[in-house]
Amino acid sequence: GDSVTQMEGPVTLSEEAFLTINCTYTATGYPSLFWYVQYPGEGLQLLLKATKADDKGSNKGFEATYRKETTSFHLEKGSVQVSDSAVYFCALSLYSSASKIIFGSGTRLSIRP
Amino acid sequence: DVKVTQSSRYLVKRTGEKVFLECVQDMDHENMFWYRQDPGLGLRLIYFSYDVKMKEKGDIPEGYSVSREKKERFSLILESASTNQTSMYLCASISSGTAGDGYTFGSGTRLTVV
Repeated sequence: GDSVTQMEGPVTLSEEAFLTINCTYTATGYPSLFWYVQYPGEGLQLLLKATKADDKGSNKGFEATYRKETTSFHLEKGSVQVSDSAVYFCALSLYSSASKIIFGSGTRLSIRP
Repeated sequence: DVKVTQSSRYLVKRTGEKVFLECVQDMDHENMFWYRQDPGLGLRLIYFSYDVKMKEKGDIPEGYSVSREKKERFSLILESASTNQTSMYLCASISSGTAGDGYTFGSGTRLTVV
């Protein structure tokens, strides 16, 4: 079945470090791909998205490229800040599935000053 | 700004109580969803609705029911609350045919059953 696998956390980095959170997916169709972010005590917010192969989503310095050949959508940021500390969820949706979105298990990111 | 509003941020209820969690969206979205989020388990879909009075079970519907009498409102009901239903509950919505847009989430309701 359709699924999303992302790297387990927690991930701890120093401020200004380079961030990569890996995400791979399995899907029978042509999914849209998303990264959501959840700050402490909050709901999920859409961080970025890509709807077709080779698209790059970007927002707030974060980027992810839709790689169909490797079925991946890795999240990257060149220089993280303490305010980036949150839980990050990779997700996919298929138009054939009543707009349902399938989420990965989440990766907790902590940034040290 | 588009919004999904959950009526309570924090809720404490006693075992056996009937609990209502309310979710309202102002975006005229057809599809609405209820998830619960638990440490180590990620988000699990409880129920969803793709139209007024329509509902479908998600992955973990046991112990829950839902109500969608109006397009903008989707209620989650815990018929008889139990301690294993202590969790963060998240509501989300999306317009039909726009799966590429992603969900809009509410801020969540943290429910504690004692």
